[in-house]
Amino acid sequence: SSEVTQDPAVSVALGQTVRITCQGDSLRRFYASWYQQKPGQAPVLVSYNKNKRPSGIPDRFSGSSSENTASLTITGAQAEDEADYYCESRDSSGNHYVFGSGTTVSVL
Amino acid sequence: QLQLQEAGPGLVKPSETLSLTCTVSGGSISNSNYYWGWIRQPPGKGLEWIGSVYYSGSTYYNPSLKSRITILVDTSKNQFSLKLTSVTAADTAVYYCARQFVVENLFDFWGQGTLVTVSS
Repeated sequence: SSEVTQDPAVSVALGQTVRITCQGDSLRRFYASWYQQKPGQAPVLVSYNKNKRPSGIPDRFSGSSSENTASLTITGAQAEDEADYYCESRDSSGNHYVFGSGTTVSVL
Repeated sequence: QLQLQEAGPGLVKPSETLSLTCTVSGGSISNSNYYWGWIRQPPGKGLEWIGSVYYSGSTYYNPSLKSRITILVDTSKNQFSLKLTSVTAADTAVYYCARQFVVENLFDFWGQGTLVTVSS
């Protein structure tokens, strides 16, 4: 079982804002990273270290963190943002890595 | 541009050993800023971290798989490898290799993934 948990699915109207959350006790100590995965493709890092983005990731993706919850917000969701999103962090020992179960984002 | 490429058999029989290699190009596996990791994804399911290796050979394994996995690094070939013993159908998955930043919590470059099916 995962030490970080995510809601299974969320939907958002085109152009609107959606927030995806990830919860776990280890998030009080460690930042989460967020990955976008489209069908048949490898995951792509979209946010890390609370609110940093790799080069090439649009600024509509933003991360945040508070207590035991990490969040990824998509501001002005686009059709191409429809995908599965996974959070990732360390477990409570700090020596191992865990992924959340993933959140499917549907853009309506 | 860094690239990672997984290679290995796409079909493994139950109880046998799954062996995969990841070849890194466009960068050195001996870069002290990075671990090199394996992640898998069963069909239709989520991602699972398998383990990671440093260029020195130090390893970190998923506790749930630790008894069955070995991850090695070959700096002369710029490769790292995964062996998973005593496989069952539950080990059927797409296996990814990825670069992992030592300081931050992140996997920033991924291979395309390779599907390994466990079946007789």
